[in-house]
Amino acid sequence: GESVGLHLPTLSVQEGDNSIINCAYSNSASDYFIWYKQESGKGPQFIIDIRSNMDKRQGQRVTVLLNKTVKHLSLQIAATQPGDSAVYFCAENIRTGANNLFFGTGTRLTVIP
Amino acid sequence: DTAVSQTPKYLVTQMGNDKSIKCEQNLGHDTMYWYKQDSKKFLKIMFSYNNKELIINETVPNRFSPKSPDKAHLNLHINSLELGDSAVYFCASSHPPGALYGYTFGSGTRLTVV
Repeated sequence: GESVGLHLPTLSVQEGDNSIINCAYSNSASDYFIWYKQESGKGPQFIIDIRSNMDKRQGQRVTVLLNKTVKHLSLQIAATQPGDSAVYFCAENIRTGANNLFFGTGTRLTVIP
Repeated sequence: DTAVSQTPKYLVTQMGNDKSIKCEQNLGHDTMYWYKQDSKKFLKIMFSYNNKELIINETVPNRFSPKSPDKAHLNLHINSLELGDSAVYFCASSHPPGALYGYTFGSGTRLTVV
């Protein structure tokens, strides 16, 4: 399954399929990006990050891709599990002398057993 | 041990009241933040504090005032509560500017103004 991040809030995938969540960020000066996962009733939790000098980074079952040319970020989740159901946010760090993370709208991922 | 803790988790209050939300972090971070999450899940930064100094202050009403007695605490005080203040408020903390290790969030305080 695939979604466009900032203004399409819902993505449903079958358990075991791969998920792709997309995000268009706003500021070409952003130098650091993070994906967060927010489960119901909890705060956002760090998943994976990437610096602007990279175009790909892999974690456990997750991969983040960065395309600076079109200011696009994606999160790929392999073999999606029911526990992956949550709202996913991309966040960009805009350098203003402090750690100022600005969040995208978020995408709700629902995994169908 | 909870890294970033907020109290209370739920807060229901009447319009016009004054309320505070407390936040504490035990991570040794130098910077703390308050975010507001609306009903559409949009997260917007409100304030950040670094070494007891306010370093950003987004366009929030002056009814909202952050108070930091020390670098491990950043409390949020709200005067004359309005219906539109209903939201989930998240506290977060991070390493100093430049470390870029991301933020650690608390579990949120759901504020309902009636």
